Amino acid sequence: TQLLEQSPQFLSIQEGENLTVYCNSSSVFSSLQWYRQEPGEGPVLLVTVVTGGEVKKLKRLTFQFGDARKDSSLHITAAQPGDTGLYLCAGFYNQGGKLIFGQGTELSVKP
Amino acid sequence: DSGVTQTPKHLITATGQRVTLRCSPRSGDLSVYWYQQSLDQGLQFLIQYYNGEERAKGNILERFSAQQFPDLHSELNLSSLELGDSALYFCASSVAGGYDGGGYTFGSGTRLTVV
Repeated sequence: TQLLEQSPQFLSIQEGENLTVYCNSSSVFSSLQWYRQEPGEGPVLLVTVVTGGEVKKLKRLTFQFGDARKDSSLHITAAQPGDTGLYLCAGFYNQGGKLIFGQGTELSVKP
Repeated sequence: DSGVTQTPKHLITATGQRVTLRCSPRSGDLSVYWYQQSLDQGLQFLIQYYNGEERAKGNILERFSAQQFPDLHSELNLSSLELGDSALYFCASSVAGGYDGGGYTFGSGTRLTVV
């Protein structure tokens, strides 16, 4: 069974703090995606990483793909209340395969 | 609006009943995926269709079935409903497999409550 483990499961921080969310698997991903989900809505794609060691930035969000393509991290700098939501990593273990989701990290940023 | 339309948004039904959830994919997308989201299981892949044909199956129960029609909309049928089937059901679509960077576009989901 292919599993994606995310940590931490819950994160409550103050506005302006930095945070990192981790996503790990024992198997190699062909590509990995990060989604953000708000209450009452479906997940929305933030980024796709494909190459081992790849780093992508989206404003205050930095996404990193591990060299061995088994892990990824999401770092948010100077978090804002608008960053509150459920962050999900999801991976393809092979092209043409199904997208497997981690359990998610519930982030709460308090003003 | 993501472009993926799911109906109904909410559904309350009794145990033993059968319901149908409907999904219209984003214009131009040929692949449709169904996911179940519950608090303890997270987002679980159920089934994928590509241009009318079943492409991949996940942890879908035998009581559940789906199909994709010629106009590319899809329906998920849930029968002999149990309390444990209460969850959010999401439909997503993509142009092809979604792994090439485009990812999946999700609808807003159908919240199913079985009482």
